[in-house]
Amino acid sequence: AQSVTQLDSHVSVSEGTPVLLRCNYSSSYSPSLFWYVQHPNKGLQLLLKYTSAATLVKGINGFEAEFKKSETSFHLTKPSAHMSDAAEYFCVVRSPPNDYKLSFGAGTTVTVRA
Amino acid sequence: GAVVSQHPSRVICKSGTSVKIECRSLDFQATTMFWYRQFPKQSLMLMATSNEGSKATYEQGVEKDKFLINHASLTLSTLTVTSAHPEDSSFYICSARDNKNIQYFGAGTRLSVL
Repeated sequence: AQSVTQLDSHVSVSEGTPVLLRCNYSSSYSPSLFWYVQHPNKGLQLLLKYTSAATLVKGINGFEAEFKKSETSFHLTKPSAHMSDAAEYFCVVRSPPNDYKLSFGAGTTVTVRA
Repeated sequence: GAVVSQHPSRVICKSGTSVKIECRSLDFQATTMFWYRQFPKQSLMLMATSNEGSKATYEQGVEKDKFLINHASLTLSTLTVTSAHPEDSSFYICSARDNKNIQYFGAGTRLSVL
C-alpha cells in the first residue's frame, strides 16, 4: 500500500521569503515521488520527480525537493517565493505493485503576500 | 515537457443529456490514460484507467455505464458522462502516461449540470 500525507493544508509566505511544503509518504516498496502544482481551474503541472536517482531533485521555477528515506519525507522548497507561486501543490507517490497508480496528498494551498 | 490537451475546458448542460470530454496527448503516444475527478478544495480521485484498444478499468464505486471511456488510438481517450445529473457536476481531469511512466495532465473540464 502507498499513501501520502501533506502536513500543511495552507502555507502563507511573503514574497521573496523561502517556501517549505512538507510531505511524508508511506510505501512498502521503493517509491517514485512527484510534486505537481495546480493553478485555479487548471490541470496539474509536474514540478519535479524522484525516481531512485539523486536524492536532491531540482525542478522547474526554482523548486527543489529532497528524498529522505530515513524520514520517509519528500519536502518541497523554494528559496524565494514569487507571487506567481500562489497555487495548490500536490505531493504524489507511485510504487509497485500498482506501478501505474498515483496516490495524491490532500494538497497544500500556498498564498504569497506582497 | 509533454503536452496533454483536454477539451472542452468548460461545459454546461441540461440534466439528462450526455457530455463527451476529449483527452489528447499531443507530442507522445500514450497506451494508458487516466481519468480523475476533483471536488472543490479536494485532491484528485482516480475514476478509471483507459487502455488503448481494450476496456477501461474502473475504480471501486465508479459506475462504468455512467462514465463511458473509449481509448481508440494512442493519442486520444474520451470520457462520456451519460444522462448527466447535477451530482455529476465536477472538475474532470485526464492524464496520459509516457514511456517513462510519468503522467502528464490535461487542463481539466469544468462540468456543470443544470
